[in-house]
Amino acid sequence: GNSVTQMEGPVTLSEEAFLTINCTYTATGYPSLFWYVQYPGEGLQLLLKATKADDKGSNKGFEATYRKETTSFHLEKGSVQVSDSAVYFCALSDPYGGSQGNLIFGKGTKLSVKP
Amino acid sequence: EAGVAQSPRYKIIEKRQSVAFWCNPISGHATLYWYQQILGQGPKLLIQFQNNGVVDDSQLPKDRFSAERLKGVDSTLKIQPAKLEDSAVYLCASSSNHYEQYFGPGTRLTVT
Repeated sequence: GNSVTQMEGPVTLSEEAFLTINCTYTATGYPSLFWYVQYPGEGLQLLLKATKADDKGSNKGFEATYRKETTSFHLEKGSVQVSDSAVYFCALSDPYGGSQGNLIFGKGTKLSVKP
Repeated sequence: EAGVAQSPRYKIIEKRQSVAFWCNPISGHATLYWYQQILGQGPKLLIQFQNNGVVDDSQLPKDRFSAERLKGVDSTLKIQPAKLEDSAVYLCASSSNHYEQYFGPGTRLTVT
């Protein structure tokens, strides 16, 4: 079945450091891939997405490239800020894989950025 | 546009009691989802509605959980009777397509 595996946290970085959060997936069809972010006390927000192989999603300085050959969708940011502290979830949606397009989430990675 | 609304934000109940959560999706969104997010885990889908019909409820514990979506708009998720392991955040999301889901703030349930 479909699944998402992302690196375990917590991840603690200093401000302006480079961020990578690894995410790999298993899917039977041709999924769309997502990164969601959950700030403290808030609901999930879509951060970026990619719907086909080699697509690059980007938003707020974050980027992730859909790599079909390595089944990966790693999240990167060149210079993190304290305000980026949150929990990040990698997810996939496989509308043609029998799951009706439902999102399947990884366990989440907590990021803490220190000033 | 207004986002997905959920109430209550917090609820504490004793085991074997009943509880209900309410969700109002973004106007015009045909698809509505309920997720359960246990502490330290990613959200897990409980049920998906398309308008007022159920599309997927394969992971809903039907012996204690029920959900309905009246007139294809608002939705209610009920737990009766609650167990300790039901302590979690219950998230509602809505979508107008299969690619973007918009989440509400969630209801944090504590069962003691």
